[in-house]
Amino acid sequence: QQQVKQSPQSLIVQKGGIPIINCAYENTAFDYFPWYQQFPGKGPALLIAIRPDVSEKKEGRFTISFNKSAKQFSLHIMDSQPGDSATYFCAASRGSNYKLTFGKGTLLTVNP
Amino acid sequence: GAVVSQHPSRVICKSGTSVKIECRSLDFQATTMFWYRQFPKQSLMLMATSNEGSKATYEQGVEKDKFLINHASLTLSTLTVTSAHPEDSSFYICSASFGGFQPQHFGDGTRLSIL
Repeated sequence: QQQVKQSPQSLIVQKGGIPIINCAYENTAFDYFPWYQQFPGKGPALLIAIRPDVSEKKEGRFTISFNKSAKQFSLHIMDSQPGDSATYFCAASRGSNYKLTFGKGTLLTVNP
Repeated sequence: GAVVSQHPSRVICKSGTSVKIECRSLDFQATTMFWYRQFPKQSLMLMATSNEGSKATYEQGVEKDKFLINHASLTLSTLTVTSAHPEDSSFYICSASFGGFQPQHFGDGTRLSIL
């Protein structure tokens, strides 16, 4: 049973575009939702995380939108750059100190 | 700078060899460390959760005797792949949690190739 569903599997945008990656979860016990960026051959790096008591969080060019009733959250990357080309994973857990359940990942390509 | 250091970054060895991978938290004491496995172009799959001074908790389907985890201190956890075979070839990644509301930090992974 996949507890965190992520879409799309891959995404291509032009420089300056706003890619949007969506995730949906099933377990209502989840209360911590991070997004990670991973480059080839590297471990995931935390981009931004949100808790269900807020509907939106911004950090730099990255924004998480959270819809608790729909059990969905999404990542928006403003003014995307070729250097943002990477695989992005959403995740969920019962607190940041607990094991993470990852989505399947989205391969983002930002063309110059 | 890096919060979690993983070593080695890459290892190639013959079938039947045992391989040890280290995961160190730098500057912080990690209450919990996690070990993940990632196949090419796939997501991270949790293998086990490790707490300092206690036995690791393995996920369903992960062989405890195959993947030995030791968490002897608050800054070091090790994963030993015993009698490795080609199907054990994968990218192994650790993460560390420092408790409270701090996010998990990941190491840079270990690429294990079994010939």
